[in-house]
Amino acid sequence: AQTVTQSQPEMSVQEAETVTLSCTYDTSESDYYLFWYKQPPSRQMILVIRQEAYKQQNATENRFSVNFQKAAKSFSLKISDSQLGDAAMYFCASPSGSARQLTFGSGTQLTVLP
Amino acid sequence: DVKVTQSSRYLVKRTGEKVFLECVQDMDHENMFWYRQDPGLGLRLIYFSYDVKMKEKGDIPEGYSVSREKKERFSLILESASTNQTSMYLCASSRSSGGYQETQYFGPGTRLLVL
Repeated sequence: AQTVTQSQPEMSVQEAETVTLSCTYDTSESDYYLFWYKQPPSRQMILVIRQEAYKQQNATENRFSVNFQKAAKSFSLKISDSQLGDAAMYFCASPSGSARQLTFGSGTQLTVLP
Repeated sequence: DVKVTQSSRYLVKRTGEKVFLECVQDMDHENMFWYRQDPGLGLRLIYFSYDVKMKEKGDIPEGYSVSREKKERFSLILESASTNQTSMYLCASSRSSGGYQETQYFGPGTRLLVL
């Protein structure tokens, strides 16, 4: 079975500071996408950022960026200039099984301190 | 914007009851998924469907069944609810695009309590 490991169950960051959430994965696919999702308290899970594994350039979406190390199967999420609205559970996801499936990590609960 | 809706936000059921959770998406997506979310375990795939009337088991299908009679609707059925099925249930959908996993869009979730 494919596995996705998020080794930090909880993290906190001061408002306006930078935080990095780690994720490692295990897939036998050669070309694939990796995903970070955000689940705010009592709200819908939404996509934060997506990385295409065949692209060497790390994906960036405004204050969110990834550090993708394909050989190490590592896919960390960096949040710059953290805001109170960034407080949420963050899930990393990688491909598994069929081309349609994703395996999710256990999540990292991010607290942003004012 | 993709919209995925789930029939209930909260449900309370008794042990042994038959429970239906419904999910509807409005973006003509081929793929639909049911997950359960438990603290410390992340999301675990119960079943998914890649076409009408087609279904495949996920990682934890035991005690669940699904139905997809129309493309936009995917139902999760607990034939005889048990207390260990108390959980948050998330529905998601995605389009098909060759061999790659596409972005999944999630519903708001149904928090089920089985007494």
